[in-house]
Amino acid sequence: QEWLVESGGGSVKSGGSLRLSCGASGFRFGDYYMSWIRQAPGKGLEWISFITSSGTFTKYADSVMGRFTVSRDNAKNLLFLQMNNLRGDDTGVYYCARELDGIDVWGQGTTVSVSS
Amino acid sequence: QAGLTQPPSMSNDLGQTATLTCTGNNNNVGNEGASWLQQHQGHPPKLLSYRKNNRPSGVSQRFSASRSGNTASLTITGLQPDDEADYYCVAWDSTLSFWVFGGGTKLTV
Repeated sequence: QEWLVESGGGSVKSGGSLRLSCGASGFRFGDYYMSWIRQAPGKGLEWISFITSSGTFTKYADSVMGRFTVSRDNAKNLLFLQMNNLRGDDTGVYYCARELDGIDVWGQGTTVSVSS
Repeated sequence: QAGLTQPPSMSNDLGQTATLTCTGNNNNVGNEGASWLQQHQGHPPKLLSYRKNNRPSGVSQRFSASRSGNTASLTITGLQPDDEADYYCVAWDSTLSFWVFGGGTKLTV
């Protein structure tokens, strides 16, 4: 069984930082591209970042470019999202997900709440 | 950033068939197809079909995906109460080089 488990969410003031982690199990983590996707309260899904299997290439949505950084540790089966200069519109549930002909494995999500 | 177009809501009766649509362009749906996700309130999304329209193991045969040009479709036969959920399509955009989502369709059974 393939699992992804996110952690690191919480409440933070506008301008603050958080680091999300995602632990993978049940599959060869280092073989897969991984993405971070978020969902604002009552809204749809928004892709925000992906990282290649080796970690050498990353890409970001315009909404988080320059503020968020994705990274991974394949030896420890971990994916990270460093979030700086957080804003109110960053509030939502953050999911890590595996890419395979789509986005096939999702974590349960971790909630980020940014207040002013 | 551009996304895929889905009707925001749909309502169908128990036992009937629902067909959900997702419209993109030549750079995303028309290029490599779209996959479909189901999300129940308070839960993470669940994959229903890959971009090649095949189902992951464990997904009911009542769910079938197809594509015609720039429009992807998800057909759900024999609607059951548990099919009431939000459904999202997602496709890789070869021009933008990232995943684009539809806005989701809320299906009421």
